[in-house]
Amino acid sequence: GAVVSQHPSRVICKSGTSVKIECRSLDFQATTMFWYRQFPKKSLMLMATSNEGSKATYEQGVEKDKFLINHASLTLSTLTVTSAHPEDSSFYICSAKGGGYGTEAFFGQGTRLTVV
Amino acid sequence: QKEVEQNSGPLSVPEGAIASLNCTYSDRVSQSFFWYRQYSGKSPELIMSIYSNGDKEDGRFTAQLNKASQYVSLLIRDSQPSDSATYLCAVNRGSGNTPLVFGKGTRLSVIA
Repeated sequence: GAVVSQHPSRVICKSGTSVKIECRSLDFQATTMFWYRQFPKKSLMLMATSNEGSKATYEQGVEKDKFLINHASLTLSTLTVTSAHPEDSSFYICSAKGGGYGTEAFFGQGTRLTVV
Repeated sequence: QKEVEQNSGPLSVPEGAIASLNCTYSDRVSQSFFWYRQYSGKSPELIMSIYSNGDKEDGRFTAQLNKASQYVSLLIRDSQPSDSATYLCAVNRGSGNTPLVFGKGTRLSVIA
């Protein structure tokens, strides 16, 4: 399958600061990327869908000014958590579709964010 | 009715047995079906894709699809303790750039 690389894998930040998470498709062009968050022992929760060169589509209840998503190229999408608070601590995971893989989606390794 | 339903488990099977994981979906127009494995603290990993009715085998894994019954299953033969994980069923309803719809996952525990 395709390779999606997410960085950093872990980050600890102070409350009020911003954190940027990168998601790269290494061996295919990702026309669409998705961002999820997951709390311990809970299901994946879709946050937003991002198409290259377009504004992201956010799911209901997700603050777009707090979770800034940029998908400037076919291989890179970023999620910036702005003015992070302890309740934003979670596991953030990106997923990508595209290339010759049809409707298959491949996940990055995830980023564990801890806000202190 | 939830879009994709799975029994949350845990499903416990002895080592060497066949583990059977089941999933139902509500949208009849769904075309693509996937099984992901997620280890604790890790991200999901795609293990099987299936698009047409019948069985698809890959190593110890067999995916089964029955569109008339809106039912997808995953069989794991010769289960190993390393198969212990949460298995997520996912469905693609629309075009290629729509998000997959995930079930809540079934936790499998393979007992040595």
